[in-house]
Amino acid sequence: EPEVTQTPSHQVTQMGQEVILRCVPISNHLYFYWYRQILGQKVEFLVSFYNNEISEKSEIFDDQFSVERPDGSNFTLKIRSTKLEDSAMYFCASSGTGVNEQFFGPGTRLTVL
Amino acid sequence: AQSVTQPDIHITVSEGASLELRCNYSYGATPYLFWYVQSPGQGLQLLLKYFSGDTLVQGIKGFEAEFKRSQSSFNLRKPSVHWSDAAEYFCAVGAIFGNEKLTFGTGTRLTIIP
Repeated sequence: EPEVTQTPSHQVTQMGQEVILRCVPISNHLYFYWYRQILGQKVEFLVSFYNNEISEKSEIFDDQFSVERPDGSNFTLKIRSTKLEDSAMYFCASSGTGVNEQFFGPGTRLTVL
Repeated sequence: AQSVTQPDIHITVSEGASLELRCNYSYGATPYLFWYVQSPGQGLQLLLKYFSGDTLVQGIKGFEAEFKRSQSSFNLRKPSVHWSDAAEYFCAVGAIFGNEKLTFGTGTRLTIIP
């Protein structure tokens, strides 16, 4: 069964450093998303992406964040200068045409020291 | 704006007992509703989903949920819980079509006692 994959599973970085979280969505999907979950809290939407453009972004997704689909298979989330409060689990999701069923990856746990 | 309320932060049930987790939603159109389960440190596993048809929907691991439009609810149930069901459960709502974001509830942590 096709699945969304994410790398790395855990990333530790120093405050102020740039990080790139990688996702490989399901191959025939066209819509891509990033969500995050701060420890012990709910899952929050960050951004959705379609046709090489951001479709929607939340207020969390400020100028420090960017997304890219650099090739036909990867979808990345970059945080330019990490802050302590960026420590969270980041989930990538993808969906196809038709019904809005989003398939989630296993997540990347980002720890900012 | 869409929202999801899970009024129970933490529920404890005995193994073998029945379970009901509550979810109320607010959504301006016909909603697409989901229940996900998350074990500690793990990702989100889809238990079940609903947007049309029979209002009682069956999912994996013996879970079911009932959609009640009049009450804006989508409660999750299981007749007999197993110790392995201990986890965090999230209800979510979104649009049926398109690529609209999903909005999640705050989750219910389920503890199972022997």
